[in-house]
Amino acid sequence: DTEVTQTPKHLVMGMTNKKSLKCEQHMGHRAMYWYKQKAKKPPELMFVYSYEKLSINESVPSRFSPECPNSSLLNLHLHALQPEDSALYLCASSHSGWQETQYFGPGTRLLVL
Amino acid sequence: GENVEQHPSTLSVQEGDSAVIKCTYSDSASNYFPWYKQELGKRPQLIIDIRSNVGEKKDQRIAVTLNKTAKHFSLHITETQPEDSAVYFCAASGGGADGLTFGKGTHLIIQP
Repeated sequence: DTEVTQTPKHLVMGMTNKKSLKCEQHMGHRAMYWYKQKAKKPPELMFVYSYEKLSINESVPSRFSPECPNSSLLNLHLHALQPEDSALYLCASSHSGWQETQYFGPGTRLLVL
Repeated sequence: GENVEQHPSTLSVQEGDSAVIKCTYSDSASNYFPWYKQELGKRPQLIIDIRSNVGEKKDQRIAVTLNKTAKHFSLHITETQPEDSAVYFCAASGGGADGLTFGKGTHLIIQP
């Protein structure tokens, strides 16, 4: 399996809701990433997990909470989001991180009302 | 942190002609430079990458050059085809499990 999968594909939530995004890969990769992409903008790094440990948090607000339960799974828990958080959330993975190709999932398109 | 500048923001070329997109980066510690193609509504797809110990890399119609001294790298697409129309992002990364810092993107339009 050479793909990164993400669920759900689309998500609409209110500002008081709690929801989670899920990312999965079965390529044996040990580095996983969350990016946020607004329309007509480049992806922006949010979090990096290396060997299931959070190694980079790009000063993301605490209403976004990442979790890496095992080497194949990466979750992003969402709580009390704002309308400006509406975006495409992309997950990526790479073998170990060092100069390695990052493979992106299809993304979850999030709309916060 | 790293800053990646990308030019031009829009590039329109005739089918069959060549296209060149240029990027500069700020962090001399960066050593990995991928290029991604993103079609509307789809995920970014890697098209080619280059590491700091290499000056040029080619894959069929696509080539990338890297000048570490000047801190710039370029994407060259020859014999452009309609399916090359997309947004292209350059990116840079340092050592370890670093994330990528992307340029703002180039919207490439291939005119028939």
